[in-house]
This record gives sequence, structure tokens and C-alpha cells, in this order.
Amino acid sequence: KNQVEQSPQSLIILEGKNCTLQCNYTVSPFSNLRWYKQDTGRGPVSLTIMTFSENTKSNGRYTATLDADTKQSSLHITASQLSDSASYICVVTLSASKIIFGSGTRLSIRP
Amino acid sequence: GAVVSQHPSWVICKSGTSVKIECRSLDFQATTMFWYRQFPKQSLMLMATSNEGSKATYEQGVEKDKFLINHASLTLSTLTVTSAHPEDSSFYICSARDPRTGDTGELFFGEGSRLTVL
Repeated sequence: KNQVEQSPQSLIILEGKNCTLQCNYTVSPFSNLRWYKQDTGRGPVSLTIMTFSENTKSNGRYTATLDADTKQSSLHITASQLSDSASYICVVTLSASKIIFGSGTRLSIRP
Repeated sequence: GAVVSQHPSWVICKSGTSVKIECRSLDFQATTMFWYRQFPKQSLMLMATSNEGSKATYEQGVEKDKFLINHASLTLSTLTVTSAHPEDSSFYICSARDPRTGDTGELFFGEGSRLTVL
């Protein structure tokens, strides 16, 4: 069983709509949890970073939440744009050398 | 902000040849860099941790003689795919952590290198 699981695997929504991506983790405690956006054929780019004690973090239209009790994180995208089409990866850092990647959610925004 | 650069962004080579991929941290010194491999529609898979001035640490199942890693300076790590075969075709990505943000701080990724072995 993966220590960091993301859902859904893929998602298609219409431009302008909101969506929420989920990340469930089993590892605890951890140093931080990050959400990355990876465009096709590019390297991942950081969207948000939260420490174990933080509950929410926003970056423009992206809002990440963290519930340490249920071991869940979510990434909410508001008013989606075509450029939001990408893979979104949840990454949990346990230590300097131990980083666990989720399998990602592939998001497609349709006009 | 901190930037990690990879070169080349894509390369096509013949089977049996070796290919070198460079990863540079442009505005910070990185004692540690990470190399990943990514197959289509899958997440990143850590291959090895590159340590400046010492041997790389490879993940289980990754052939160290196949994927040579050299971290000769604080701003450059190289991954050499030796005697490449078509099954080595993949997307290779490096990352580095800005030490100014601590041991568990921001991790910056390169743009990736697409390797195609004919």
C-alpha cells in the first residue's frame, strides 16, 4: 500500500469550474507536505508547502488544506483555467533524505 | 527564486551509446541533488541521491553501473546513462534543495530531460 495516495487518478472538468484533489497519507509525523503542479514534459513546480501544524495555505486560485487527524490533504482549484491542465502531485517529506511522492492526479480542463 | 536547470531537455541516441544529463543549481549551492525517472502517466521514481564529493546513494533496483552519477561541484550533478538501450527511454528529472531553507525546505526541480534510445 502506498504511503501517499492521491485521488482521483484523473479528472476532467469544464473551464471556470472548481475542483478538489485529495491526498491521503499514512506516514506521521512528517516535516512538510507539498503540492506540485507538473505540466506535460516539464519538471514539477511547487504550489504550496505546509508544515505538520498548518491547516491551510493559499497560492492564488490554489488552496491546500491539511487535516492531521484524518491524515488527509486536499488541493482546491478555483475558477479553473485551461492552463490548469496538468498533473498534481502530493509530496510528503519525512526527513532530508526521505521524500514520498503520491502517484498524482491528472487534471484536464475542457473549454 | 531558486532555479534548477537541466540539460539537454531532450536527446535521441543510438542503442549502445552513453548519454550524459546535467543538473545545475543556478543560484544556490546544493550538497545534495536527487535524480528521478518518470514513465508516462506515472509519478516520479527516485533513482539516486547525489552527494557532493562522495558516492551517490542508489535506490533499490537501480543499477549504479548503468546510471553513473557524479556530483563534482556544489552546483553540478551529472547522470550518465551508459550503454543505453531502448528500455532506458524515459523522462529523467533532477531536484535540489536550497540549503538556506533547511534540511527539509523547498525542493526545486529541473525541467526534465527526455531520453529516447533508438
